[in-house]
Order: sequence, then C-alpha cells, then structure tokens
Amino acid sequence: DGGITQSPKYLFRKEGQNVTLSCEQNLNHDAMYWYRQDPGQGLRLIYYSQIVNDFQKGDIAEGYSVSREKKESFPLTVTSAQKNPTAFYLCASSIGDRGRYNEQFFGPGTRLTVL
Amino acid sequence: RKEVEQDPGPFNVPEGATVAFNCTYSNSASQSFFWYRQDCRKEPKLLMSVYSSGNEDGRFTAQLNRASQYISLLIRDSKLSDSATYLCVVRYSSASKIIFGSGTRLSIRP
Repeated sequence: DGGITQSPKYLFRKEGQNVTLSCEQNLNHDAMYWYRQDPGQGLRLIYYSQIVNDFQKGDIAEGYSVSREKKESFPLTVTSAQKNPTAFYLCASSIGDRGRYNEQFFGPGTRLTVL
Repeated sequence: RKEVEQDPGPFNVPEGATVAFNCTYSNSASQSFFWYRQDCRKEPKLLMSVYSSGNEDGRFTAQLNRASQYISLLIRDSKLSDSATYLCVVRYSSASKIIFGSGTRLSIRP
C-alpha cells in the first residue's frame, strides 16, 4: 500500500531534550512538508523540501531542523530551542510542481508533549 | 487580516439537511484550491480539489468565485459521518506557499 507513515504516534519529551520525528513516504512524491497544529488552529508550515538534499524554512522554522537525504524520508528534529514544542506534528507529501493541482497527502501525525 | 479565512462554526444541523460553508482568500495570485476534512485528533484528508468551473463529487459540490475571492463547499443530504472540521486550502504559484484556513466545525445531529 502506498502512503505516508509517521512515528511515533505519541512522544513525550523532557524540557531541554532534542527529539526527532520520523516521516516516510512511498508515493514517489518529490515534495515533503512539516506542519504544526495547535488546538483549534490551522496548520502552520515549519519546513518544506521540493527535492532531495534541498529544503526551505516555512513560517515557523525557529527551533526546528530537517534533513532530506533520501526522497522517501524527511525527518524533523525539535530542538531544545523551540519554546513551545507541545503540539500535533503533521508530515505531508505532494507530487510537487510536476502536478497540476499538487494536492498534499498527510501522514497520521505525531502528538508531542513536553513534560 | 488572515490570508485565508473561514467561519469557525460550529455549524449544528440535522441529518439530511443541506449545509454550505464559504472560505475567503486575500491574495488574487492564488492558483489552486482544496477542501480537506479533518476528524478529531486525526490528520487532514483531501476531500476535493476545487476547479475553476466548479465540481461535484456525490453529495459534495465545490465552487470557486475568483472575482469575489472565495470558495464554497455545499454538502447535500448530510450524514452523521459528515461531522468533522472542514479546512479550506489555498495554494499560490510556488509549491511552498500553501495556506490552510483554521477550519469550520460541522456537527450533524440525528
């Protein structure tokens, strides 16, 4: 089955620790994205990557880092510099600029709680 | 003013009713438009893309009005399973500029 997987589903972190969220897709999509969603709010873009070995900051990149060494994988690290990391993190992918409408497809999300 | 605005609701309607939401966007350079559905504590799922001429998928109809800069979603014969938050999404010319609305909550009662 083709799709996007994220792990873990729930993650607890102590203050001051870095933590890495996994995102993998087997849809052969070029573009991948990380979003953060807080209760009652829309999605905010953290980072995106349109091609392997390249990525760009989104609207709220401070305190986060990413890598895109493989087309299928786009891990997100939440660093201790992120002041309010507790949130629902969503990874998405899309065909990229090859596609006319370029719809995004989402993984199931990781719910991060800082204790 | 937000780039993409939606009425947060909640819209509380009886089963079988017709309900419609609008979503306004501020940037006329917007290129593509989508409606996503998000269930509580789940990821958003694509409901439908919105085509310039409008499009229909079963009980769902999406319309685009570029002159007034809004898109709409109409749900006919609503089902209990339609209860969810509906997110309006606008994409600009670059793959990176994708703006999500905050969503409209819909609750269908028996």
